[in-house]
Amino acid sequence: DIQMTQSPSLVSASVGDRVTITCRASQAISSWVAWYQKKPGKAPKLLIYAASSLQSGVPSRFSGSGSGTDFTLTISTLHPEDFATYYCQQSNSFPLTFGGGTEVEIK
Amino acid sequence: EVQILESGGGLRQPGGSLRLSCAASGFMFSNYYMSWVRQAPGKGLEWVSIVIGSGTGVGNAYYADSVKGRFTISRDNSKKMVYLQMDSLSADDTAIYFCARTHYDFSSGYYVDQWGQGTLVTVTP
Repeated sequence: DIQMTQSPSLVSASVGDRVTITCRASQAISSWVAWYQKKPGKAPKLLIYAASSLQSGVPSRFSGSGSGTDFTLTISTLHPEDFATYYCQQSNSFPLTFGGGTEVEIK
Repeated sequence: EVQILESGGGLRQPGGSLRLSCAASGFMFSNYYMSWVRQAPGKGLEWVSIVIGSGTGVGNAYYADSVKGRFTISRDNSKKMVYLQMDSLSADDTAIYFCARTHYDFSSGYYVDQWGQGTLVTVTP
Protein backbone atom coordinates (compact mmCIF):
# COMPACT_ATOMS: atom_id res chain seq x y z
CA ASP A 1 0.00 0.00 0.00
CA ILE A 2 1.10 3.57 -0.69
CA GLN A 3 1.52 5.63 2.47
CA MET A 4 0.97 9.39 2.38
CA THR A 5 2.85 11.39 5.02
CA GLN A 6 1.53 14.90 5.46
CA SER A 7 3.25 17.76 7.30
CA PRO A 8 2.87 19.72 9.38
CA SER A 9 -0.10 18.35 11.28
CA LEU A 10 -0.97 21.82 12.56
CA VAL A 11 -0.40 25.28 11.13
CA SER A 12 -1.15 28.44 13.10
CA ALA A 13 -1.64 31.32 10.70
CA SER A 14 -3.28 34.69 10.30
CA VAL A 15 -5.59 36.04 7.62
CA GLY A 16 -3.41 37.15 4.71
CA ASP A 17 -0.62 34.64 5.40
CA ARG A 18 0.80 32.26 2.83
CA VAL A 19 0.41 28.63 3.90
CA THR A 20 2.22 25.61 2.48
CA ILE A 21 1.36 21.99 3.26
CA THR A 22 3.44 19.08 2.06
CA CYS A 23 2.68 15.44 1.37
CA ARG A 24 5.20 12.69 0.72
CA ALA A 25 4.27 9.38 -0.91
CA SER A 26 6.01 6.16 0.07
CA GLN A 27 6.65 5.43 -3.60
CA ALA A 28 6.63 7.41 -6.83
CA ILE A 29 3.10 8.14 -8.03
CA SER A 30 3.71 10.54 -10.92
CA SER A 31 1.18 13.38 -10.49
CA TRP A 32 -1.61 11.24 -9.05
CA VAL A 33 -2.49 13.29 -5.99
CA ALA A 34 -5.64 15.10 -4.94
CA TRP A 35 -6.16 17.63 -2.16
CA TYR A 36 -9.32 18.17 -0.10
CA GLN A 37 -10.58 20.70 2.45
CA LYS A 38 -12.65 19.44 5.39
CA LYS A 39 -14.59 21.55 7.86
CA PRO A 40 -16.34 20.13 10.95
CA GLY A 41 -19.82 18.88 10.19
CA LYS A 42 -19.38 19.34 6.46
CA ALA A 43 -18.51 17.01 3.60
CA PRO A 44 -14.94 17.22 2.28
CA LYS A 45 -14.41 19.45 -0.74
CA LEU A 46 -12.12 18.69 -3.66
CA LEU A 47 -9.57 21.45 -4.25
CA ILE A 48 -6.88 20.03 -6.51
CA TYR A 49 -6.56 16.89 -8.65
CA ALA A 50 -3.69 15.52 -10.71
CA ALA A 51 -1.33 17.35 -8.34
CA SER A 52 -1.87 20.80 -9.85
CA SER A 53 -5.27 21.01 -11.57
CA LEU A 54 -7.68 23.37 -9.84
CA GLN A 55 -11.19 21.97 -9.43
CA SER A 56 -13.89 24.11 -11.00
CA GLY A 57 -15.18 26.77 -8.63
CA VAL A 58 -12.19 26.65 -6.27
CA PRO A 59 -10.52 30.04 -5.71
CA SER A 60 -7.23 30.61 -7.49
CA ARG A 61 -5.43 31.30 -4.19
CA PHE A 62 -5.25 27.50 -3.89
CA SER A 63 -2.54 25.81 -5.92
CA GLY A 64 -0.82 22.44 -6.01
CA SER A 65 2.52 21.25 -7.26
CA GLY A 66 4.84 18.29 -7.25
CA SER A 67 5.41 14.94 -8.87
CA GLY A 68 7.00 11.64 -8.01
CA THR A 69 6.93 11.46 -4.22
CA ASP A 70 6.75 15.07 -3.02
CA PHE A 71 3.68 17.27 -3.31
CA THR A 72 2.64 20.69 -2.04
CA LEU A 73 -0.62 22.53 -1.46
CA THR A 74 -0.26 26.30 -1.19
CA ILE A 75 -2.79 28.89 -0.08
CA SER A 76 -1.33 32.14 -1.34
CA THR A 77 -3.33 34.50 0.87
CA LEU A 78 -5.30 32.96 3.72
CA HIS A 79 -8.96 34.00 3.89
CA PRO A 80 -11.15 33.56 7.01
CA GLU A 81 -13.09 30.74 5.35
CA ASP A 82 -9.86 28.78 4.74
CA PHE A 83 -9.44 27.74 8.36
CA ALA A 84 -10.05 24.01 8.04
CA THR A 85 -8.26 20.67 7.82
CA TYR A 86 -6.59 19.70 4.56
CA TYR A 87 -5.91 16.19 3.28
CA CYS A 88 -3.86 14.82 0.43
CA GLN A 89 -4.87 11.55 -1.25
CA GLN A 90 -2.94 9.35 -3.63
CA SER A 91 -5.07 8.64 -6.68
CA ASN A 92 -2.68 6.14 -8.23
CA SER A 93 -3.84 2.72 -7.04
CA PHE A 94 -6.01 0.75 -4.64
CA PRO A 95 -6.25 0.95 -1.75
CA LEU A 96 -6.61 4.71 -2.11
CA THR A 97 -4.94 6.38 0.87
CA PHE A 98 -5.13 9.78 2.54
CA GLY A 99 -2.54 11.73 4.41
CA GLY A 100 -3.08 12.27 8.10
CA GLY A 101 -4.37 15.82 7.64
CA THR A 102 -3.17 19.34 8.35
CA GLU A 103 -5.27 21.60 10.51
CA VAL A 104 -4.97 25.29 9.66
CA GLU A 105 -5.94 27.23 12.75
CA ILE A 106 -6.25 30.92 13.54
CA LYS A 107 -3.08 32.28 15.13
CA GLU B 1 -27.55 19.40 -9.78
CA VAL B 2 -25.54 16.49 -8.38
CA GLN B 3 -27.07 15.04 -5.23
CA ILE B 4 -25.73 12.21 -3.10
CA LEU B 5 -27.70 11.13 -0.06
CA GLU B 6 -26.66 8.45 2.41
CA SER B 7 -28.98 6.59 4.75
CA GLY B 8 -28.97 3.59 7.02
CA GLY B 9 -26.59 4.69 9.74
CA GLY B 10 -27.33 3.89 13.35
CA LEU B 11 -26.30 2.15 16.55
CA ARG B 12 -25.08 -1.45 16.58
CA GLN B 13 -23.38 -3.77 19.04
CA PRO B 14 -19.99 -5.30 18.26
CA GLY B 15 -20.39 -8.27 15.95
CA GLY B 16 -23.54 -6.83 14.42
CA SER B 17 -24.38 -5.85 10.87
CA LEU B 18 -25.62 -2.72 9.13
CA ARG B 19 -26.42 -1.82 5.54
CA LEU B 20 -25.79 1.69 4.29
CA SER B 21 -27.52 3.03 1.20
CA CYS B 22 -26.60 5.90 -1.05
CA ALA B 23 -28.98 7.51 -3.53
CA ALA B 24 -27.45 9.50 -6.38
CA SER B 25 -29.01 11.88 -8.87
CA GLY B 26 -28.13 14.65 -11.28
CA PHE B 27 -25.42 12.82 -13.23
CA MET B 28 -24.83 9.78 -15.44
CA PHE B 29 -24.51 7.35 -12.56
CA SER B 30 -23.17 4.38 -14.48
CA ASN B 31 -20.31 6.46 -15.86
CA TYR B 32 -18.77 6.87 -12.42
CA TYR B 33 -17.01 4.77 -9.87
CA MET B 34 -18.59 5.16 -6.42
CA SER B 35 -16.71 5.02 -3.14
CA TRP B 36 -17.32 4.98 0.57
CA VAL B 37 -15.00 7.08 2.73
CA ARG B 38 -15.24 7.30 6.52
CA GLN B 39 -14.07 9.57 9.30
CA ALA B 40 -13.88 8.27 12.84
CA PRO B 41 -14.43 10.78 15.68
CA GLY B 42 -11.38 13.04 15.97
CA LYS B 43 -9.57 11.17 13.20
CA GLY B 44 -8.73 11.75 9.54
CA LEU B 45 -10.35 10.55 6.35
CA GLU B 46 -10.10 6.84 5.50
CA TRP B 47 -11.06 5.38 2.15
CA VAL B 48 -13.18 2.24 2.63
CA SER B 49 -14.23 0.81 -0.71
CA ILE B 50 -14.94 1.49 -4.38
CA VAL B 51 -17.16 -0.13 -7.01
CA ILE B 52 -16.75 0.21 -10.77
CA GLY B 53 -19.67 1.67 -12.70
CA SER B 54 -19.65 0.29 -16.19
CA GLY B 55 -17.74 -1.59 -18.83
CA THR B 56 -16.16 -4.99 -18.50
CA GLY B 57 -15.39 -4.38 -14.84
CA VAL B 58 -18.84 -3.23 -13.79
CA GLY B 59 -19.50 -4.19 -10.22
CA ASN B 60 -15.87 -4.99 -9.48
CA ALA B 61 -14.95 -3.80 -6.03
CA TYR B 62 -11.87 -2.96 -4.00
CA TYR B 63 -11.49 -2.54 -0.25
CA ALA B 64 -9.26 -1.10 2.43
CA ASP B 65 -7.41 -3.80 4.35
CA SER B 66 -9.25 -2.74 7.53
CA VAL B 67 -12.63 -3.83 6.13
CA LYS B 68 -11.73 -6.56 3.63
CA GLY B 69 -13.75 -9.69 4.26
CA ARG B 70 -16.27 -7.87 6.47
CA PHE B 71 -17.73 -5.15 4.22
CA THR B 72 -19.31 -5.60 0.78
CA ILE B 73 -19.98 -2.75 -1.62
CA SER B 74 -22.51 -3.07 -4.43
CA ARG B 75 -24.44 -0.88 -6.82
CA ASP B 76 -27.67 -0.89 -8.80
CA ASN B 77 -27.27 1.31 -11.85
CA SER B 78 -30.97 1.08 -12.70
CA LYS B 79 -31.85 2.64 -9.35
CA LYS B 80 -28.75 4.88 -9.10
CA MET B 81 -27.98 3.35 -5.73
CA VAL B 82 -24.83 2.24 -3.93
CA TYR B 83 -24.82 -0.01 -0.88
CA LEU B 84 -22.34 -0.93 1.82
CA GLN B 85 -23.07 -4.12 3.73
CA MET B 86 -21.13 -4.00 6.97
CA ASP B 87 -20.73 -7.25 8.93
CA SER B 88 -18.75 -8.23 12.02
CA LEU B 89 -18.75 -4.62 13.17
CA SER B 90 -16.32 -3.46 15.84
CA ALA B 91 -15.87 -0.24 17.78
CA ASP B 92 -13.16 0.74 15.28
CA ASP B 93 -15.87 1.01 12.61
CA THR B 94 -17.55 3.89 14.46
CA ALA B 95 -17.42 6.79 12.02
CA ILE B 96 -19.30 9.07 9.69
CA TYR B 97 -19.56 7.26 6.35
CA PHE B 98 -19.54 9.38 3.20
CA CYS B 99 -20.76 8.16 -0.16
CA ALA B 100 -18.57 9.68 -2.84
CA ARG B 101 -18.65 10.02 -6.59
CA THR B 102 -15.22 9.00 -7.78
CA HIS B 103 -13.73 10.29 -10.98
CA TYR B 104 -11.23 8.23 -12.94
CA ASP B 105 -9.20 8.98 -15.99
CA PHE B 106 -5.78 7.91 -17.11
CA SER B 107 -4.13 11.26 -16.46
CA SER B 108 -5.67 12.01 -13.05
CA GLY B 109 -6.29 8.68 -11.42
CA TYR B 110 -9.04 8.14 -8.87
CA TYR B 111 -10.33 11.11 -6.89
CA VAL B 112 -13.61 12.14 -5.28
CA ASP B 113 -15.30 15.10 -6.93
CA GLN B 114 -18.70 14.96 -5.21
CA TRP B 115 -19.57 13.92 -1.66
CA GLY B 116 -22.69 13.16 0.30
CA GLN B 117 -23.23 14.66 3.73
CA GLY B 118 -22.52 11.41 5.52
CA THR B 119 -24.32 9.01 7.83
CA LEU B 120 -23.17 8.15 11.34
CA VAL B 121 -22.44 4.58 12.35
CA THR B 122 -21.86 3.92 16.04
CA VAL B 123 -20.71 0.52 17.29
CA THR B 124 -20.89 0.18 21.06
CA PRO B 125 -21.72 -2.57 23.58
